[in-house]
Amino acid sequence: QLQLQESGPGLVKPSETLSLTCNVSGVSISGSNFYWAWIRQSPGRGLDWIASIYYTGSTYYNPSLKSRVTISVDTSKNQFSLKVNSVTAADTAVYYCARDRGGSYYFDNWGQGTLVTASS
Amino acid sequence: EIVLTQSPGTLSLSPGERATLSCRASQSVTSNYLAWYQQKPGQAPRLLIYGASSRATGIPDRFSGSGSGTDFTLTITRLEPEDFAVYYCQQYGSSPTFGQGTKVEIK
Repeated sequence: QLQLQESGPGLVKPSETLSLTCNVSGVSISGSNFYWAWIRQSPGRGLDWIASIYYTGSTYYNPSLKSRVTISVDTSKNQFSLKVNSVTAADTAVYYCARDRGGSYYFDNWGQGTLVTASS
Repeated sequence: EIVLTQSPGTLSLSPGERATLSCRASQSVTSNYLAWYQQKPGQAPRLLIYGASSRATGIPDRFSGSGSGTDFTLTITRLEPEDFAVYYCQQYGSSPTFGQGTKVEIK
């Protein structure tokens, strides 16, 4: 049974880098024909897709966030990660990792989410 | 960017009633690549519908999706107590975007 679990700091200072990891269990990232995604949700902005990655390293990014975001994959650990540079209060959100059915497609399995607050 | 507008913002209904939720896109959604999700407080969204009308695995048949182009609808034929939640539409015909949500609350 596929499970996704986000981990990372819950508090990040403005101008610093937000780093999150999603651990995938129940399926091999490199053995499946799916992409893997980060999505965030905040009261002000609602749901925003951030980026998606395939086990080969092929990526898709939200154009509005692309300049500050990096998504990466570590198949040896069966996990993928997100970095957001130069964070501001607007990056405060619940961050979800999810399985992406086609590379910036729809998302059929989600982690429970982790709250990240950008504050000094 | 395709903007999705959902209506109404809140739908107040009783168990057993029919719910009709609307999602309108600012431009035509390629290949009807539209999904619907259900979200309950403190939980992640759950996929209900993809491709405008295909039910995801394990989703009861009281949930159905329809529409094409710029106008899409999620219908719940008979509301069960567990169906009271927030529903989001999402398009993936271009860079994915989500609607702002419709809350289905108990009347």
